[in-house]
Amino acid sequence: EIVMTQSPATLSVSPGERATLSCRASQSVSSNLAWYQQKPGQAPRLLIYGASTRATGIPARFSGSGSGTEFTLTISSLQSEDFAVYYCQQYNNWPPVLTFGGGTKVEIK
Amino acid sequence: QVQLQESGPGLVKPSQTLSLTCTVSGGSISSGDYYWSWIRQPPGKGLEWIGYIYYSGSTYYNPSLKSRVTISVDTSKNQFSLKLSSVTAADTAVYYCARLKIYSGFDYWGQGTLVTVSS
Repeated sequence: EIVMTQSPATLSVSPGERATLSCRASQSVSSNLAWYQQKPGQAPRLLIYGASTRATGIPARFSGSGSGTEFTLTISSLQSEDFAVYYCQQYNNWPPVLTFGGGTKVEIK
Repeated sequence: QVQLQESGPGLVKPSQTLSLTCTVSGGSISSGDYYWSWIRQPPGKGLEWIGYIYYSGSTYYNPSLKSRVTISVDTSKNQFSLKLSSVTAADTAVYYCARLKIYSGFDYWGQGTLVTVSS
């Protein structure tokens, strides 16, 4: 099983600042990585797939990068609606055994 | 617009079988581009993939749950279902159904349903 590790567990950021979230895979997943945003009481929402492709309707302030085992989600200028928990998820070797990271909570500083 | 809706009991007794159904609207479950999935989230914790099914009936399960999980599909009703046997309190969670796009991610989710395992 591929283990996904996210860091930090909690990130305190002021509105308008940049947020950088990390996700590491225990073995290479190529670019087969997605990012999700989850707000309290809601289902997760797909932000990024293919490590760097924004899903439909996702604002340009969200960007993803990386390949292999190291990935980054960047939110260029945090808006109030961006404070949430973010998860990475790999889908390597189709059809894959899927695994999620433990999540990073982005909170208001 | 594709919509997914979970349904089933919110309370299950220990050692019994949890059964949920996901009804898909706004799109066909028989589309070859997608796998139909179950994911759960214990209260205050992260996401855990349970398994998914292709419209043809091929299934793939989380190895840690494989011995207790069965996912099935009914294309005539545009539904797929989850059965989890021998449940314990550790299976208490919000259960989501979701659509997994091939070589992509989970692009549509149900609202989730809380299932509590308790006597």
